[in-house]
Amino acid sequence: KAGVTQTPRYLIKTRGQQVTLSCSPISGHRSVSWYQQTPGQGLQFLFEYFSETQRNKGNFPGRFSGRQFSNSRSEMNVSTLELGDSALYLCASTVDSSYNEQFFGPGTRLTVL
Amino acid sequence: AQSVTQLGSHVSVSEGALVLLRCNYSSSVPPYLFWYVQYPNQGLQLLLKYTTGATLVKGINGFEAEFKKSETSFHLTKPSAHMSDAAEYFCAVSGPGGGADGLTFGKGTHLIIQP
Repeated sequence: KAGVTQTPRYLIKTRGQQVTLSCSPISGHRSVSWYQQTPGQGLQFLFEYFSETQRNKGNFPGRFSGRQFSNSRSEMNVSTLELGDSALYLCASTVDSSYNEQFFGPGTRLTVL
Repeated sequence: AQSVTQLGSHVSVSEGALVLLRCNYSSSVPPYLFWYVQYPNQGLQLLLKYTTGATLVKGINGFEAEFKKSETSFHLTKPSAHMSDAAEYFCAVSGPGGGADGLTFGKGTHLIIQP
């Protein structure tokens, strides 16, 4: 069974631009969560989607948004990029929202110049 | 609110020695606890988890952890370190909602294996 895939793996943007990251969960998994990893703040929960609905959200500004499609694939969008948005963005999937083992993708490394 | 504290941002052990990575948590609800490992330029891989039941949990690659409610701890151990264990290790906690609650991670411990 294929694992969680994320595209692109690396991305370079400039301040003020927007970016969209994509995540394809493991087949059969309906819950997708997003995390931001930085050296200073560590791993922080962004949001979780289940059956195309956002069920939970971390403490991030509204510039960070996401969505989930009917095939469970998810995208996250960051608008008006800031230097501090440079990070590794990780996607994780689970069977459903009550299942606790999350499987992580390799991440997208975003650099904002 | 939940929180996780990992004691020691860097831990160095000799190959063949005992590995002990410390994790303490706080949670207002019965916690689900996890240890993940991250190798350079990769995502996180689950080592082991505690949800309910037996408090001593065995994971992959010879790692195990013990849930001690009275000490609010979930320390990770491995009897004999191998060079391939060098990586970043994260302890995490979630509520009963599992994925929907999101995982709260510790800051991580970088494990260094000395030859």
